[in-house]
Amino acid sequence: DAGVTQTPRHEVAEKGQTIILKCEPVSGHNDLFWYRQTKIQGLELLSYFRSKSLMEDGGAFKDRFKAEMLNSSFSTLKIQPTEPKDSAVYLCASSRQFSNERLFFGHGTKLSVL
Amino acid sequence: GEQVEQRPPHLSVREGDSAVITCTYTDPNSYYFFWYKQEPGASLQLLMKVFSSTEINEGQGFTVLLNKKDKRLSLNLTAAHPGDSAAYFCAVSGGGNYKYVFGAGTRLKVIA
Repeated sequence: DAGVTQTPRHEVAEKGQTIILKCEPVSGHNDLFWYRQTKIQGLELLSYFRSKSLMEDGGAFKDRFKAEMLNSSFSTLKIQPTEPKDSAVYLCASSRQFSNERLFFGHGTKLSVL
Repeated sequence: GEQVEQRPPHLSVREGDSAVITCTYTDPNSYYFFWYKQEPGASLQLLMKVFSSTEINEGQGFTVLLNKKDKRLSLNLTAAHPGDSAAYFCAVSGGGNYKYVFGAGTRLKVIA
């Protein structure tokens, strides 16, 4: 049991579609992170929330990627419109307190964009 | 900002041999260091958390060394076994900014 729940586990989208990935952090955690994982780039930070406030909004990912956290127990990552280069595993992680605490990771959502 | 370089990207060793993975970082103010293990199809799991005050940290079947002078963190798997086959990621945090920065990962394969 990873503690962080991500849905769906797999997503297949056509180029230009809008997709929404979901994440439920560990109960009581204040920090939530979205990462993109590829073999070439490794783990790239997309967004970081502390107590539901957006602290980091991914630089190069800003134009088509939007993460939201409407309540402390749920976050979404929207990619609009999708492109084939977005094919990757999207990981959500949470922690009690950033910087000195370990991250708890979800199993990830594997996105394939055709 | 902090940059973390992890080497090697791929590593293949025989069962019983040791395996060493190294990360170098740039921010001298970084204070917390982590190693995570990701088995195929699984999420990242914490292997060890290291504080900057401790140079040598021993776990079950591995040792983590921190050299703050050289800004280098290493994971040494002693007597590797096939169950150690996984991707390993270092992470550095607590530096000049708040970012939690990961290395690119090392894919370790232990051959029986």
